[in-house]
This record gives sequence, C-alpha cells and structure tokens, in this order.
Amino acid sequence: DIQMTQSLASLSASLEEIVTITCQASQDIGNWLAWYQQKPGKSPQLLIHSATSLADGIPSRFSGSRSGTQYSLKISRLQVEDTGIYYCLQRYSNPWTFGGGTKLELK
Amino acid sequence: QVQLKESGPGLVKPSLTLSLTCTVSGFSLSSYGVIWVRQPPGKGLEWMGVIWGNGNTNYNSALKSRLSISRDTSKSQVFLKMNNLQTEDTAMYFCARSADFWGPGTMVTVSS
Repeated sequence: DIQMTQSLASLSASLEEIVTITCQASQDIGNWLAWYQQKPGKSPQLLIHSATSLADGIPSRFSGSRSGTQYSLKISRLQVEDTGIYYCLQRYSNPWTFGGGTKLELK
Repeated sequence: QVQLKESGPGLVKPSLTLSLTCTVSGFSLSSYGVIWVRQPPGKGLEWMGVIWGNGNTNYNSALKSRLSISRDTSKSQVFLKMNNLQTEDTAMYFCARSADFWGPGTMVTVSS
C-alpha cells in the first residue's frame, strides 16, 4: 500500500499568515492527490484535486503544488474559518490512502 | 445538486454484521464511483472501499475478508456490509462520490 505521511500533526499560525501543509507519498502517485479540510463534527470538504486544481467554491487563497512525491497545500492569508484538520488522499492506486492529518489552529 | 446520505443502525453488538446504506441523488451510480470511509472518534480517516460506476469493487486489504460493497442503481443506493464487528469498528462512517462530494456520516457504536 502507498503510505502518505503528513509530518506535522499540528500547526499554529497567526491571522493573515502564509501556511504550508505538506504530504509525502511513499512512491510516485503522479497528480492523483487531493486535499481536504475537516471541521469538528463535519464530513471532509474537498479543497484541491489533481494536486493543483482548486475545487469548486473554494477560496483562491488555497493552492496546491507538487515537487516529485512531496505535495503541499498553501493558504496564502490565513483566516479564522481555516482552522480545522487537513488531510491528503492519494487516489493513484487501490487502496486509496489518507495522510494522518494536520491540525491547524490560530495562534 | 449532488447529495449523499448514510443511514444505519447506530448500535451494533460485537460479532454481528453492520449494514449501512448510502442514498444518493443528483448523479448516476453508473457514472461515478462511491467510496466508504470511516473515522474512529478522535482519529484520522480510513478508506474502506469503492464500488465503481461499472459495478466493480476494491477493498482495503485490512478489511477485505469482512467487507462487502454493493448497490442498487434503480434505487440510487449503495450498501456496505461488514461482518464480525469489534469495538475497534466504532466510528463515523461516510460515503462519498469519488471523494469529491461527501455525506454527513453516520455514527456506528459497537457495544454489547
């Protein structure tokens, strides 16, 4: 199975700050990577698909990038509503696998 | 618009079988895959399996021996069945359309 590693379990940042969350794949997955935000008691919401494509209705301050097997989610100017847990998901091969999540809090 | 909603028993006794239903609207099950994902309380997301638009299925290898996913396209429903439930199967269970649109989830507690 492909392992997806989010090295930071938690992250604290200030309003308007630039935040980057990373996810490392254990092997090549191409652009078959999605990012999700999950708020307490809610289902995950798709932010980015195909590594770099913004999902419908998601603010443009979110962006995704790829460097080899490392994937990044960037929030350009952190807002209050951006707190939550962020997960990556590889959809390259079965079984699909999630990263362990990065909890983003406001400082 | 695309909607999914999970339904199930809420409480299941250990060793018994869990049956969940995902009722969808706004898209055809013949055109999109539906996945099941679960999340134990306070923990991360675990992909359980998928039923593709052509009806083929794939499962998480850790659950494969206990898990079955099927569908009724005429009713726009996808079904999850998992046998021999244990307390560690206590979780929120989600269905999602190819991981883009998600249902709200249904909580399943395994307890005697």
